Amino acid sequence: NAGVTQTPKFQVLKTGQSMTLQCAQDMNHNSMYWYRQDPGMGLRLIYYSASEGTTDKGEVPNGYNVSRLNKREFSLRLESAAPSQTSVYFCASSEAGSDQETQYFGPGTRLLVL
Amino acid sequence: GENVEQHPSTLSVQEGDSAVIKCTYSDSASNYFPWYKQELGKRPQLIIDIRSNVGEKKDQRIAVTLNKTAKHFSLHITETQPEDSAVYFCAAVAYDYKLSFGAGTTVTVRA
Repeated sequence: NAGVTQTPKFQVLKTGQSMTLQCAQDMNHNSMYWYRQDPGMGLRLIYYSASEGTTDKGEVPNGYNVSRLNKREFSLRLESAAPSQTSVYFCASSEAGSDQETQYFGPGTRLLVL
Repeated sequence: GENVEQHPSTLSVQEGDSAVIKCTYSDSASNYFPWYKQELGKRPQLIIDIRSNVGEKKDQRIAVTLNKTAKHFSLHITETQPEDSAVYFCAAVAYDYKLSFGAGTTVTVRA
């Protein structure tokens, strides 16, 4: 099992450009998450999908959109990138329900917006 | 929503000594408290977790304690080794299964 995979690993964008970060999991998990990680601020939830067909905003959703394409895949889109979106983005997945909250993270995507 | 505070932000210990990281949370409904370790350039990985119906859990050199009344939980690493050098994050989960993370503690183990 590959677990949680993310593409690309690294991306440089110019202000105003758009891009989609891809995430896939092969653990048959119901829930998937997108986080951003900035120095000194831990991981902050951008959006999550509790189950296929549902998405909800997290702590810092502005400037982002998501799509839960199917049970395996959860993408994050930046429509018009800004320098403030320079960060490391992590996707995670978990089973839903009590006693199954453990989240497993992908390797991350480093994004630089110039 | 849940607010998790983590202290200290940096911690330097001599190899073989113990390290303690403390976290507090705000939502009394939180019932699951994982700890993640993140090495430089890597993904966060779960190292230990504890649920609200348990006061302490141990796994080899790592232990976690939980005080529900005071709403705080701690990570204890004994006999630290160079490979324990990393950033450690605490987190709390409430009814909606969303993780709220602390800001992280950078642990450096001096040889």
